Amino acid sequence: LAKTTQPISMDSYEGQEVNITCSHNNIATNDYITWYQQFPSQGPRFIIQGYKTKVTNEVASLFIPADRKSSTLSLPRVSLSDTAVYYCLVGAYLTGGGNKLTFGTGTQLKVEL
Amino acid sequence: NAGVTQTPKFRVLKTGQSMTLLCAQDMNHEYMYWYRQDPGMGLRLIHYSVGEGTTAKGEVPDGYNVSRLKKQNFLLGLESAAPSQTSVYFCASSPSVPEAFFGQGTRLTVV
Repeated sequence: LAKTTQPISMDSYEGQEVNITCSHNNIATNDYITWYQQFPSQGPRFIIQGYKTKVTNEVASLFIPADRKSSTLSLPRVSLSDTAVYYCLVGAYLTGGGNKLTFGTGTQLKVEL
Repeated sequence: NAGVTQTPKFRVLKTGQSMTLLCAQDMNHEYMYWYRQDPGMGLRLIHYSVGEGTTAKGEVPDGYNVSRLKKQNFLLGLESAAPSQTSVYFCASSPSVPEAFFGQGTRLTVV
């Protein structure tokens, strides 16, 4: 699985847009990019996934440049409840063989008033 | 649907004792995972399963064993608990990588 690098922490204020960038220089052709969110004392929660260009859902947007060596999770107008750890994962879909979800240390986002 | 349920939620063990953590999912997912999370760290994969009757080692398998006799259940066993196994354990299941659904966690303390 491709190794990922993301900032250890970020601070923001309510109402601002937050962009968290993840580097994955050795991403493979079949790899997808996935982001999870984890609140204290809870298991991670899937946020968004993408392969290339831009993906948007009700929670976030994911921007992936043409070379796919990085990706940016964008959270619009954050609130205090968005304070959490955000994980970037890179890997291929299972196709009948073995695979595994590998989490790094994530980015601790702190949103203040 | 309950999703992914972990039993127990909390446990205190003495060094050398054994125990089994149960993970149950009602979503008919093929893939199941056991992770541990230590303070200030990300999740580390212990073992995983790609289907009933199959298991595979993750990043930190030593000291743990697993079984997947039924599709809906994934058991994590500690044969002889050590203080280094004090952690929060998360189970997850997925229909396909990468969208996984996690349980609420089991907080284990080994004294």
